Amino acid sequence: SQQGEEDPQALSIQEGENATMNCSYKTSINNLQWYRQNSGRGLVHLILIRSNEREKHSGRLRVTLDTSKKSSSLLITASRAADTASYFCATDAWGTSGSRLTFGEGTQLTVNP
Amino acid sequence: GAVVSQHPSWVICKSGTSVKIECRSLDFQATTMFWYRQFPKQSLMLMATSNEGSKATYEQGVEKDKFLINHASLTLSTLTVTSAHPEDSSFYICSASGSRNEQFFGPGTRLTVL
Repeated sequence: SQQGEEDPQALSIQEGENATMNCSYKTSINNLQWYRQNSGRGLVHLILIRSNEREKHSGRLRVTLDTSKKSSSLLITASRAADTASYFCATDAWGTSGSRLTFGEGTQLTVNP
Repeated sequence: GAVVSQHPSWVICKSGTSVKIECRSLDFQATTMFWYRQFPKQSLMLMATSNEGSKATYEQGVEKDKFLINHASLTLSTLTVTSAHPEDSSFYICSASGSRNEQFFGPGTRLTVL
């Protein structure tokens, strides 16, 4: 079963607004990562938050992690048209063959100029 | 650093043929490589994990005889889709992990089977 569930599935905002995406997961994790994917392209790693961290910032990105609720959020502030992409959370947990990532369903973000 | 390449970036083939996709770690030694598949508008699904010099571990529901994985060196893993059919058309993405356990992703390969 899919580890991560994200909401919303799609989000459309105006340039300059903030965008918030949420991710929930089911099992214990080592860390949680957020990735961006432009249409038909590879993944771009955005930020990693460890299981013992609650909040992390990187530029216009802010990630929170609540391990008691098994959820995370990604906030993009002052969005730009170039932020239009799909955003995925991925949980990193130990499996029988070592560390493995399980991806959420993704949020399609559209930033309108 | 930590660059992963894939070749080809896209391929179109006829039904019934086999297609090989290469994944290379360009500037580090990848003890583990992962292969993912992504259908349109869907998420990445892990297909298999391979460690250099050993047999790949396949996820449930992934046919190991159809998706042959070879990880013969610390910088190269290959995925061969044997007897490809239109339902195998997808975006295949590899990632490579070295001593720090962090995964670095390749740019993906778009496979279209006619």
